[in-house]
Amino acid sequence: DTGVSQDPRHKITKRGQNVTFRCDPISEHNRLYWYRQTLGQGPEFLTYFQNEAQLEKSRLLSDRFSAERPKGSFSTLEIQRTEQGDSAMYLCASSLRTSGMDEQFFGPGTRLTVL
Amino acid sequence: LAKTTQPISMDSYEGQEVNITCSHNNIATNDYITWYQQFPSQGPRFIIQGYKTKVTNEVASLFIPADRKSSTLSLPRVSLSDTAVYYCLVGDINNDMRFGAGTRLTVKP
Repeated sequence: DTGVSQDPRHKITKRGQNVTFRCDPISEHNRLYWYRQTLGQGPEFLTYFQNEAQLEKSRLLSDRFSAERPKGSFSTLEIQRTEQGDSAMYLCASSLRTSGMDEQFFGPGTRLTVL
Repeated sequence: LAKTTQPISMDSYEGQEVNITCSHNNIATNDYITWYQQFPSQGPRFIIQGYKTKVTNEVASLFIPADRKSSTLSLPRVSLSDTAVYYCLVGDINNDMRFGAGTRLTVKP
């Protein structure tokens, strides 16, 4: 257990439905990252926050994807109008970034299946 | 961002030392080199990070030559539980993390 939790661990939904995932980072960490991982591939960066500011969102996969981190604590990732191609593991990570050393602590992930 | 190249897979036996090399020919001056380990159905786990020369911690060593165009993760005396995917990443404080496909290490008895 890294101290990063994600909820739910598994989500099955029908195509066209909206889904929302939650990530609770390690409390003192200022950075929070979201990744997507498909079978046999490394994690694919989606977006990240420093405190409550979303510093990079251009790599979110489409405008159906959005993320928030109100108050700089937990974060949510929402996917609207899900498609079968959205089926993947969604990983959250947090870090206390102060210099070049950035040890990211990953949560267990949320596995999404879109039917 | 510097692109990294690693072997797709490697096999080893218990008790052997394993060296996984990563190429990053266009590494920038401010870039650090970081290695992560990932087991099935888990998130990646930080192993080690370095900038130049050699870094050692309780689980691994990282060797970085003077030109920094490659790096080698060394795992001493591997066990079956070291079977995992190992990722090499290059970047600095202002870059996001870009994982490649990694190296799938299989340790055999």
